[in-house]
Amino acid sequence: GIQVEQSPPDLILQEGANSTLRCNFSDSVNNLQWFHQNPWGQLINLFYIPSGTKQNGRLSATTVATERYSLLYISSSQTTDSGVYFCAGTPRGSARQLTFGSGTQLTVLP
Amino acid sequence: EAGVAQSPRYKIIEKRQSVAFWCNPISGHATLYWYQQILGQGPKLLIQFQNNGVVDDSQLPKDRFSAERLKGVDSTLKIQPAKLEDSAVYLCASSSHEKLFFGSGTQLSVL
Repeated sequence: GIQVEQSPPDLILQEGANSTLRCNFSDSVNNLQWFHQNPWGQLINLFYIPSGTKQNGRLSATTVATERYSLLYISSSQTTDSGVYFCAGTPRGSARQLTFGSGTQLTVLP
Repeated sequence: EAGVAQSPRYKIIEKRQSVAFWCNPISGHATLYWYQQILGQGPKLLIQFQNNGVVDDSQLPKDRFSAERLKGVDSTLKIQPAKLEDSAVYLCASSSHEKLFFGSGTQLSVL
């Protein structure tokens, strides 16, 4: 299967700051998605982004499929952005095994 | 639109006991997934259903775990007998195309 590496593993920000989270894949992937797991454990799908750039409010994501990486941008961070951010993808040519990275733990301080 | 429903929210059992989790996916979603999330790690796929057929169960410990999805809607995941290392959050997800939506999960503690 594919390997998914996320960086940084931990990030502490002051409210209002911007940040960039990165996800690298060991091989070509389909179905790349970003999730936010809040402190209560609920996983929310932020983006389905197999390629290109998408924006949703203060969040945006860019996937460069040919170079096997994706970036998640958080602007003007708020305390409610705290939690763990996961990226996940499926090996190209397979409809199975959406594989998750180990996540980036984000803490936004007031 | 209702989300993915899971129950129970929490479960505490002793090792060697059995336990079952229930999931009701988003209406119309053909694909249903069960994931295991151990503290500090990303979710790991246990089994994937397409309607009521199994697409992938390569990481399901079949000596103790079983899952079914009767009539292509609700699903149950069972562990029998449970081991200490099964302590984790069990997440159900569904999708109609590729985008996954997760339930709130069941936190299992095996003592």
